[in-house]
This record gives sequence, structure tokens and C-alpha cells, in this order.
Amino acid sequence: DADVTQTPRNRITKTGKRIMLECSQTKGHDRMYWYRQDPGLGLQLIYYSFDVKDINKGEISDGYSVSRQAQAKFSLSLESAIPNQTALYFCATSAGYSNQPQHFGDGTRLSIL
Amino acid sequence: AQKITQTQPGMFVQEKEAVTLDCTYDTSDQSYGLFWYKQPSSGEMIFLIYQGSYDEQNATEGRYSLNFQKARKSANLVISASQLGDSAMYFCAMREVDNYGQNFVFGPGTRLSVLP
Repeated sequence: DADVTQTPRNRITKTGKRIMLECSQTKGHDRMYWYRQDPGLGLQLIYYSFDVKDINKGEISDGYSVSRQAQAKFSLSLESAIPNQTALYFCATSAGYSNQPQHFGDGTRLSIL
Repeated sequence: AQKITQTQPGMFVQEKEAVTLDCTYDTSDQSYGLFWYKQPSSGEMIFLIYQGSYDEQNATEGRYSLNFQKARKSANLVISASQLGDSAMYFCAMREVDNYGQNFVFGPGTRLSVLP
């Protein structure tokens, strides 16, 4: 089983709909992240959380919200989806040590029509 | 200001040859980490190699090595004996300490195509 699981893997929806992307992890990491990747581009940080009571905005948080329900669960919501939020979304986790990489889920391909 | 620069949007290499993917970074921290990830066409992000700012030796992992030049703030990825399966996007990332603790910054990526 994957250490970082994202659901759904693919989603097509309409403008104005509320969407929730979910992420769960079995790595025991405190730190969790949500990224967005547009075609042919790098990763942009949306939100991150260093523990259950800690939520921080990233560089592109407008139009998104998150919830850290437990150490292992971190969900991303689009309250009213718009077409330019069409992208590949990644959840990632990391340990607190500087030599440890992030571990990524397989991504969610989101299309907003 | 961009903290991670990857100046090669696309690279081609012949199968079995070596290739170097460039990465330069900008930080005022003394303690930081540098990472390379591979993203094949299937989309997942795969961790390849890590280099710590205090590491004196260049990191190696199988066919991957990191050419770390601290004074020049560069951390180039070298792939030896390229294989067709190495065709992918490659991202350089840096972990540094900010006001909220340690966080990651990614470069824009380099698309590597391995030719048969």
C-alpha cells in the first residue's frame, strides 16, 4: 500500500462546485503539504501544516482551504471551483529533519469545466 | 526572487551517455538541504538524491550523483549511462529554514529526453 494516498485520483467537475481532495499517510510524519502543478511547470505550494494545530498559507492559497483532521489526514477544499484551478494536485509529507525528503502521493488530476 | 533556477527547460541525451542537469540556488542560510526528484509521464514524484550543505562529499545513489559546488551555489545532477526510462521531468528542490520552520522550494524543472 502507498505511504501517501490521495483520493480521488481523477476528478472532472463544473465551475462553481465545491470539491474536496483528501490525503492520508502512514509514514507517521507531522508535516503535510498541498501543491499544485500546472502543465509543464513546477510545484507551487498551496498550504502546509507542521502539526494538527498548525495551518499555514503557501504562495497560492487564494481560492483554497485546508483541514488537518488528524496527524495522518490533510484535506484540500476548493469552495467554488473555477476553470483556472484545473491542475495536478499533490499531497506530500516530511519528517522534521533537514536531511529528509518529501514523500509524495500519486497526485489528483482535477479538471474544472 | 527565484530561489531555485534550472536554466535548461529541455535536454536531449543519447542512450548510454552521461548527462548533467543544472541547478543553482539562492539562500542566506548556512544549513540547508538540496534534493532532486524525477517525474515520469505517469505523474508521480520520485525522490532521487539528497545533498546536505555541510556534506563534504558529493552524494551518489546508483547512477545518480550530485555535483555540489557550495561557493557557486550549484547542485547539478549527473546521470550516468542514460536509459530510455530516464526520460522524465527533473526537479531540483531546496529545504531551508524560514520563519515557520523548514520548508521546501522547487525549481521549474528540466525535461530530459533519452534518445535510442
